[in-house]
Amino acid sequence: NAGVMQNPRHLVRRRGQEARLRCSPMKGHSHVYWYRQLPEEGLKFMVYLQKENIIDESGMPKERFSAEFPKEGPSILRIQQVVRGDSAAYFCASSPREAGMNTEAFFGQGTRLTVV
Amino acid sequence: AQKVTQAQTEISVVEKEDVTLDCVYETRDTTYYLFWYKQPPSGELVFLIRRNSFDEQNEISGRYSWNFQKSTSSFNFTITASQVVDSAVYFCALGTSNTGKLIFGQGTTLQVKP
Repeated sequence: NAGVMQNPRHLVRRRGQEARLRCSPMKGHSHVYWYRQLPEEGLKFMVYLQKENIIDESGMPKERFSAEFPKEGPSILRIQQVVRGDSAAYFCASSPREAGMNTEAFFGQGTRLTVV
Repeated sequence: AQKVTQAQTEISVVEKEDVTLDCVYETRDTTYYLFWYKQPPSGELVFLIRRNSFDEQNEISGRYSWNFQKSTSSFNFTITASQVVDSAVYFCALGTSNTGKLIFGQGTTLQVKP
């Protein structure tokens, strides 16, 4: 059973371009969480999605960032018109149902975005 | 408000020393859970332990041990006889039962010198 797969592992974008980060959850998992780790900081929650639904996007920046988790295919975190401050590691975690007291969320290896 | 504080930004020890990483959390929820993760230089997050709020039993796993004390809202992590391979950033995280998202501390960078 493969773990949470994120690709690409490393992504370089020029200022103003779009970045698309993909997360394939573990088999049987229908819940996905995205976190951002700015340099020398801890991870910060961005968004929680179930298949075709955004459940909690309280950590998403108001502009340029969007996320989706379609019925088929991976979850996508999309950053439009990237700026240098978007340079960070983006982690995805998945769980079979809402992660909580009895349910574990498993993290992927992260995508490191560098904006030049 | 939910919060996790790791007051130690960086710790440097010599191999074979014991080291304790502190974690203090804040939550109004009576049911919650806590994690420790290791982030080696390669960047991935390695799960170390999870502890639920109703289970205050301390745990030992090889050279690792965890001390969970609800009275002081602390969940400290001790590495006994540290090794160079323990060098990494260590994160403490808090989750609550009404949401799946985790609140992470700022992390403690541990450097173990040979």
